[in-house]
Amino acid sequence: RKEVEQDPGPFNVPEGATVAFNCTYSNSASQSFFWYRQDCRKEPKLLMSVYSSGNEDGRFTAQLNRASQYISLLIRDSKLSDSATYLCVVSSGSARQLTFGSGTQLTVLP
Amino acid sequence: EPEVTQTPSHQVTQMGQEVILRCVPISNHLYFYWYRQILGQKVEFLVSFYNNEISEKSEIFDDQFSVERPDGSNFTLKIRSTKLEDSAMYFCASSLRDGGDYGYTFGSGTRLTVV
Repeated sequence: RKEVEQDPGPFNVPEGATVAFNCTYSNSASQSFFWYRQDCRKEPKLLMSVYSSGNEDGRFTAQLNRASQYISLLIRDSKLSDSATYLCVVSSGSARQLTFGSGTQLTVLP
Repeated sequence: EPEVTQTPSHQVTQMGQEVILRCVPISNHLYFYWYRQILGQKVEFLVSFYNNEISEKSEIFDDQFSVERPDGSNFTLKIRSTKLEDSAMYFCASSLRDGGDYGYTFGSGTRLTVV
Protein backbone atom coordinates (compact mmCIF):
# COMPACT_ATOMS: atom_id res chain seq x y z
CA ARG A 1 0.00 0.00 0.00
CA LYS A 2 1.35 3.45 -0.92
CA GLU A 3 2.29 5.60 2.06
CA VAL A 4 0.52 8.67 0.68
CA GLU A 5 -2.05 8.12 -2.00
CA GLN A 6 -3.65 10.72 -4.24
CA ASP A 7 -5.84 10.67 -7.31
CA PRO A 8 -3.34 11.58 -10.07
CA GLY A 9 -5.95 13.39 -12.15
CA PRO A 10 -5.66 15.29 -14.35
CA PHE A 11 -8.40 17.60 -13.23
CA ASN A 12 -9.37 20.06 -15.96
CA VAL A 13 -11.75 22.73 -14.67
CA PRO A 14 -13.00 26.09 -15.96
CA GLU A 15 -11.98 29.32 -14.28
CA GLY A 16 -14.16 30.05 -11.28
CA ALA A 17 -14.88 26.40 -10.54
CA THR A 18 -14.51 24.76 -7.16
CA VAL A 19 -12.27 21.72 -7.11
CA ALA A 20 -11.51 19.25 -4.34
CA PHE A 21 -8.51 16.98 -3.91
CA ASN A 22 -8.34 14.01 -1.57
CA CYS A 23 -5.48 12.11 -0.08
CA THR A 24 -5.06 9.14 2.24
CA TYR A 25 -2.01 8.15 4.24
CA SER A 26 -1.07 4.78 5.69
CA ASN A 27 1.12 5.65 8.67
CA SER A 28 -1.14 6.30 11.65
CA ALA A 29 1.86 7.74 13.52
CA SER A 30 2.23 10.58 11.02
CA GLN A 31 2.63 13.83 12.84
CA SER A 32 2.09 16.79 10.52
CA PHE A 33 0.33 17.29 7.26
CA PHE A 34 0.74 19.69 4.40
CA TRP A 35 -0.32 20.59 0.90
CA TYR A 36 2.43 21.70 -1.45
CA ARG A 37 2.11 22.82 -5.05
CA GLN A 38 4.64 22.07 -7.72
CA ASP A 39 4.83 23.75 -11.09
CA CYS A 40 6.35 21.84 -13.97
CA ARG A 41 10.04 21.10 -13.33
CA LYS A 42 10.12 23.45 -10.33
CA GLU A 43 10.56 22.93 -6.62
CA PRO A 44 7.65 22.09 -4.32
CA LYS A 45 6.27 25.16 -2.56
CA LEU A 46 4.39 24.99 0.72
CA LEU A 47 0.75 25.90 0.17
CA MET A 48 -0.56 25.29 3.66
CA SER A 49 -0.33 23.13 6.74
CA VAL A 50 -3.36 21.01 7.55
CA TYR A 51 -4.99 20.74 10.96
CA SER A 52 -7.76 18.58 12.37
CA SER A 53 -9.81 21.68 13.08
CA GLY A 54 -9.64 22.61 9.42
CA ASN A 55 -7.94 25.70 8.16
CA GLU A 56 -8.52 28.23 5.46
CA ASP A 57 -6.23 30.55 3.55
CA GLY A 58 -8.15 32.73 1.15
CA ARG A 59 -9.65 30.49 -1.52
CA PHE A 60 -7.98 27.38 -0.11
CA THR A 61 -9.44 25.19 2.64
CA ALA A 62 -7.71 22.12 4.04
CA GLN A 63 -9.06 19.45 6.32
CA LEU A 64 -7.57 16.52 8.18
CA ASN A 65 -9.41 13.48 9.50
CA ARG A 66 -6.98 11.52 11.64
CA ALA A 67 -9.42 8.70 12.33
CA SER A 68 -9.85 8.04 8.60
CA GLN A 69 -6.28 9.06 7.75
CA TYR A 70 -7.68 11.36 5.13
CA ILE A 71 -6.64 14.84 4.02
CA SER A 72 -8.49 17.16 1.68
CA LEU A 73 -7.91 20.43 -0.14
CA LEU A 74 -10.68 22.59 -1.56
CA ILE A 75 -9.95 25.38 -4.01
CA ARG A 76 -12.75 27.85 -4.61
CA ASP A 77 -13.05 30.31 -7.51
CA SER A 78 -10.11 28.70 -9.28
CA LYS A 79 -7.74 30.92 -11.27
CA LEU A 80 -5.56 30.15 -14.27
CA SER A 81 -2.57 30.56 -11.96
CA ASP A 82 -3.79 27.66 -9.81
CA SER A 83 -2.75 25.26 -12.59
CA ALA A 84 -0.08 23.06 -11.03
CA THR A 85 0.44 19.68 -9.40
CA TYR A 86 -0.84 19.54 -5.83
CA LEU A 87 1.19 17.35 -3.49
CA CYS A 88 -0.20 15.81 -0.34
CA VAL A 89 2.62 15.52 2.20
CA VAL A 90 2.90 13.98 5.66
CA SER A 91 5.75 14.03 8.14
CA SER A 92 6.77 11.07 10.23
CA GLY A 93 9.81 9.34 11.67
CA SER A 94 12.34 10.50 14.18
CA ALA A 95 13.57 13.33 11.94
CA ARG A 96 10.08 14.24 10.80
CA GLN A 97 11.00 13.63 7.20
CA LEU A 98 8.36 14.42 4.62
CA THR A 99 6.66 11.72 2.60
CA PHE A 100 5.14 12.99 -0.60
CA GLY A 101 2.22 11.71 -2.59
CA SER A 102 2.58 11.44 -6.34
CA GLY A 103 0.51 14.58 -6.82
CA THR A 104 -2.74 15.57 -8.46
CA GLN A 105 -2.46 17.60 -11.63
CA LEU A 106 -4.82 20.54 -11.98
CA THR A 107 -5.36 22.57 -15.14
CA VAL A 108 -7.65 25.59 -14.94
CA LEU A 109 -9.02 26.46 -18.35
CA PRO A 110 -10.04 29.94 -19.54
CA GLU B 1 11.82 36.69 0.69
CA PRO B 2 14.80 34.56 1.78
CA GLU B 3 15.71 31.75 -0.59
CA VAL B 4 17.51 28.44 -0.56
CA THR B 5 20.06 28.63 -3.37
CA GLN B 6 21.31 25.59 -5.26
CA THR B 7 24.14 25.32 -7.75
CA PRO B 8 24.54 24.25 -10.45
CA SER B 9 21.03 24.28 -11.88
CA HIS B 10 21.95 21.48 -14.27
CA GLN B 11 24.87 19.07 -14.19
CA VAL B 12 25.77 16.39 -16.70
CA THR B 13 28.26 13.77 -15.59
CA GLN B 14 29.60 10.48 -16.83
CA MET B 15 28.68 7.28 -15.05
CA GLY B 16 31.21 6.50 -12.32
CA GLN B 17 32.22 10.11 -11.76
CA GLU B 18 31.86 11.95 -8.48
CA VAL B 19 29.54 14.95 -8.26
CA ILE B 20 29.00 17.54 -5.56
CA LEU B 21 25.72 19.39 -5.42
CA ARG B 22 25.82 22.64 -3.52
CA CYS B 23 23.21 24.42 -1.47
CA VAL B 24 23.13 27.63 0.53
CA PRO B 25 20.28 27.33 3.03
CA ILE B 26 18.48 30.34 4.49
CA SER B 27 20.95 31.94 6.87
CA ASN B 28 19.27 31.45 10.25
CA HIS B 29 17.88 28.01 9.50
CA LEU B 30 19.02 25.06 11.56
CA TYR B 31 17.60 21.98 9.82
CA PHE B 32 18.79 20.91 6.38
CA TYR B 33 17.54 18.28 3.98
CA TRP B 34 18.11 16.68 0.62
CA TYR B 35 15.30 15.23 -1.44
CA ARG B 36 15.28 13.92 -4.99
CA GLN B 37 12.69 13.54 -7.71
CA ILE B 38 13.22 11.19 -10.62
CA LEU B 39 11.44 12.54 -13.71
CA GLY B 40 7.75 11.70 -13.57
CA GLN B 41 7.96 10.28 -10.07
CA LYS B 42 7.30 11.58 -6.60
CA VAL B 43 9.63 13.56 -4.38
CA GLU B 44 11.66 11.24 -2.12
CA PHE B 45 13.48 11.92 1.12
CA LEU B 46 17.24 11.31 1.15
CA VAL B 47 18.69 12.76 4.34
CA SER B 48 18.20 15.25 7.15
CA PHE B 49 20.99 17.12 8.91
CA TYR B 50 20.91 18.97 12.20
CA ASN B 51 23.56 20.14 14.63
CA ASN B 52 26.33 19.09 12.23
CA GLU B 53 25.27 15.50 11.92
CA ILE B 54 22.87 13.32 9.98
CA SER B 55 19.66 12.92 11.96
CA GLU B 56 17.89 10.55 9.58
CA LYS B 57 18.49 8.97 6.19
CA SER B 58 16.45 6.86 3.81
CA GLU B 59 17.38 3.54 2.23
CA ILE B 60 18.21 5.48 -0.94
CA PHE B 61 21.03 7.25 0.92
CA ASP B 62 23.57 4.45 0.73
CA ASP B 63 27.35 4.52 1.04
CA GLN B 64 27.82 6.35 -2.24
CA PHE B 65 26.10 9.43 -0.77
CA SER B 66 27.48 11.83 1.81
CA VAL B 67 26.57 15.27 3.11
CA GLU B 68 28.66 17.98 4.59
CA ARG B 69 28.31 21.45 5.99
CA PRO B 70 31.89 22.59 5.42
CA ASP B 71 31.37 26.15 6.64
CA GLY B 72 28.60 28.24 8.11
CA SER B 73 26.72 28.69 4.88
CA ASN B 74 27.08 25.76 2.47
CA PHE B 75 25.44 22.36 2.62
CA THR B 76 26.63 19.82 0.06
CA LEU B 77 25.54 16.44 -1.23
CA LYS B 78 28.27 14.26 -2.72
CA ILE B 79 27.61 11.24 -4.89
CA ARG B 80 30.82 9.25 -5.07
CA SER B 81 30.35 7.08 -8.13
CA THR B 82 27.30 8.07 -10.09
CA LYS B 83 24.99 5.55 -11.70
CA LEU B 84 22.50 6.08 -14.51
CA GLU B 85 19.66 5.73 -12.01
CA ASP B 86 20.99 8.70 -10.02
CA SER B 87 19.66 10.95 -12.78
CA ALA B 88 17.05 13.10 -11.06
CA MET B 89 16.25 16.54 -9.74
CA TYR B 90 17.90 17.03 -6.36
CA PHE B 91 16.26 19.51 -4.00
CA CYS B 92 17.87 21.01 -0.95
CA ALA B 93 15.59 22.35 1.79
CA SER B 94 15.98 24.11 5.09
CA SER B 95 13.84 25.14 8.01
CA LEU B 96 14.24 27.24 11.12
CA ARG B 97 12.41 24.87 13.38
CA ASP B 98 11.80 21.20 12.86
CA GLY B 99 10.61 21.18 9.28
CA GLY B 100 8.46 18.19 9.88
CA ASP B 101 6.19 20.38 11.95
CA TYR B 102 6.22 23.56 9.92
CA GLY B 103 7.22 22.64 6.39
CA TYR B 104 10.37 23.51 4.55
CA THR B 105 11.63 26.01 2.04
CA PHE B 106 12.97 24.16 -0.97
CA GLY B 107 15.66 25.36 -3.35
CA SER B 108 15.00 25.40 -7.07
CA GLY B 109 16.92 22.17 -7.52
CA THR B 110 19.86 20.73 -9.43
CA ARG B 111 18.98 18.56 -12.40
CA LEU B 112 21.58 15.78 -12.50
CA THR B 113 21.94 13.82 -15.71
CA VAL B 114 24.22 10.79 -15.65
CA VAL B 115 25.28 9.57 -19.09
